[in-house]
Order: sequence, then C-alpha cells, then structure tokens
Amino acid sequence: GAGVSQTPSNKVTEKGKYVELRCDPISGHTALYWYRQSLGQGPEFLIYFQGTGAADDSGLPNDRFFAVRPEGSVSTLKIQRTERGDSAVYLCASSLTLLPPTDTQYFGPGTRLTVL
Amino acid sequence: QQQVKQSPQSLIVQKGGISIINCAYENTAFDYFPWYQQFPGKGPALLIAIRPDVSEKKEGRFTISFNKSAKQFSLHIMDSQPGDSATYFCAARGIFGNEKLTFGTGTRLTIIP
Repeated sequence: GAGVSQTPSNKVTEKGKYVELRCDPISGHTALYWYRQSLGQGPEFLIYFQGTGAADDSGLPNDRFFAVRPEGSVSTLKIQRTERGDSAVYLCASSLTLLPPTDTQYFGPGTRLTVL
Repeated sequence: QQQVKQSPQSLIVQKGGISIINCAYENTAFDYFPWYQQFPGKGPALLIAIRPDVSEKKEGRFTISFNKSAKQFSLHIMDSQPGDSATYFCAARGIFGNEKLTFGTGTRLTIIP
C-alpha cells in the first residue's frame, strides 16, 4: 500500500464495551508505533513494536489497553472496558528503523474513538 | 511530565509573512528533532528534521534553528501561504533504544490573505 492505513476511521462505542483498532503499516516497515491524540494535544506514545515483539509498552495507560502484532505486519490495539476518558484519535505509525534515531515515522490517518 | 514545550498555541500570519514556532526540551538524551504538519482529519506528516550537531537546516521555505546550549529549537516558515494553514508539532526522539517520539502540544497556524 501507499501509506499506513487504519480501520475503522471512526468508532463509537458505549462505556464498558471492548474495541479493537487495526493498523496496516507500510509494507516492509519493521517498526510500528501506536500513539493517542486527545483534542487539542500532541500525540502521546502508547507502544512500539519491533517485528512481532513489543519493544516498549511504557505508554500504555493501564492494563485495559493491549496491543499485538502476531506476524510482524498488521497490529491491533485492544481496549477492554472502555471509559469515556479513552475517547481520542488513535494514531498508528511505521518506520524502517534502518538508522535510528533519524528514521522517519509515517503516520496513518487515525481512528477516532468515541466512548459514550 | 511535559518534556517538550511548544509555543504559541495559535498563530495568525499574513500571507507572505514569516511564521515562527518555538519549542524547548528538557531531556538531554534527545538526539533528533522533527517537525510534523497535521491537517484536520489526517495524521501528522514529517515536514523537516534536525540533529543537534548542526545549528540550522533549511528545506525550501522551511528552516529549523537549533540552540543546543539553550535546549531550544524553532521552525520558521518563510513566505507563508494559505496552504500552510495547519497544526504544527515539534517532537523529539532519543538515541537507539528510545525510539518513541515525544511531541509538543501543537501550534495552530492560520495564514490570512
């Protein structure tokens, strides 16, 4: 694909429900990142995958949040027992990681999650 | 803990003018400083980036000025155009082993005719 894609583009759910957000990185990119962007704020780091493994999950706010990348390509961010405070745009980014730290992170359009 | 502080929150510049956005960081382990541009409904897109071993980098109308001793860096947009109207984020990233980007809070730039 031409860029990072994310589905769905919008997700409305009720408090307490479970949601899954999907990210398709740029083909060949080994690194994948999830960020959360609240209204009027900059993106905040959630988790970083290098291949299939989570290299850094220090940004996950609590144990209701979990992410997987089983085959080193597509990733799914999973949120259990959603709360109204989880409402935000969830951004995914990918990079080649050939030469950190200058390797460019390419962002998808995001999934706007609204918890009612 | 906000590690990258960005100002101003919003900025209005006349077409043809110079737009200046400032950022300051605290963590001396940061080694890479990109600027991202974001349009409504889109993800951030890399605009220009700098390493701390240079004091300035220019790409077209966009220039980053970097002051390592003051731990500050800024984005200058020359000959600002209405198409530049967007939200701009500065960011910082550490050396290998610390790949996450730490973003500023953003500046909403509006270019008026």
